[in-house]
Amino acid sequence: EVQLVESGGGLVQPGGSLRLSCAASGFTFSSFWMYWVRQSPGKGLVWLSRTDLDGSRTEYADSVKGRFTVSRDNAKNTLYLQLSSLRAEDTAVYYCATGCSGWCGGNYYYGVDVWGQGTTVTVSS
Amino acid sequence: QTVVTQEPSLTVSPGGTVTLTCASSAGAVSSGGYPNWIQQKPGQAPRSLIHSTNKKHSWTPARFSGSLLGGKAALTLSGVQPEDEAVYYCLLYYGGVVIFGGGTKLTVL
Repeated sequence: EVQLVESGGGLVQPGGSLRLSCAASGFTFSSFWMYWVRQSPGKGLVWLSRTDLDGSRTEYADSVKGRFTVSRDNAKNTLYLQLSSLRAEDTAVYYCATGCSGWCGGNYYYGVDVWGQGTTVTVSS
Repeated sequence: QTVVTQEPSLTVSPGGTVTLTCASSAGAVSSGGYPNWIQQKPGQAPRSLIHSTNKKHSWTPARFSGSLLGGKAALTLSGVQPEDEAVYYCLLYYGGVVIFGGGTKLTVL
């Protein structure tokens, strides 16, 4: 069974930092792109980033470029999101998801496939 | 910056058919935007239904279908079930960025 489990969320003060993790299992992690998406309380989904199969190419939404950094460790089947210079408006549930932007696992497609359950980040003093 | 627009809310009767749409401020949505459709029920994580305009995931019920309609991406639910009540988001790819629509709250009544 494909499974993504996020962790690392919590309460952090404005200006602080946090590292989120997304542990993957049940599929060949290194064969798929990975995405981060967040959802502020009562709001819609917002795309944050996507990273390619080996982490050599990562794209970010303008709203987090320069503050958030994505990395992945294919040996540990884990995706990371380093959050820094956090603001109150970064308060949200953060989801990781697997998917593709091109050739993945022998198939060509652009899409988001399986989502994790999310981890909550609260930025407040 | 490109904005992706969806109907804020729609209501459908059980057993009925409803079409949700997804428009782009950048112009007509095409297959090159690889429209995706994602379902989210209250208190739950999102679940992907459709990718690359009309490709279903293995878990996607047959009553869901994706298409392009009049310059927009469209998600059609045929034979709506009560459990289809949810918020539905579209997602479009624009070069290096991915943009979600604001979501359509579908009520089954």
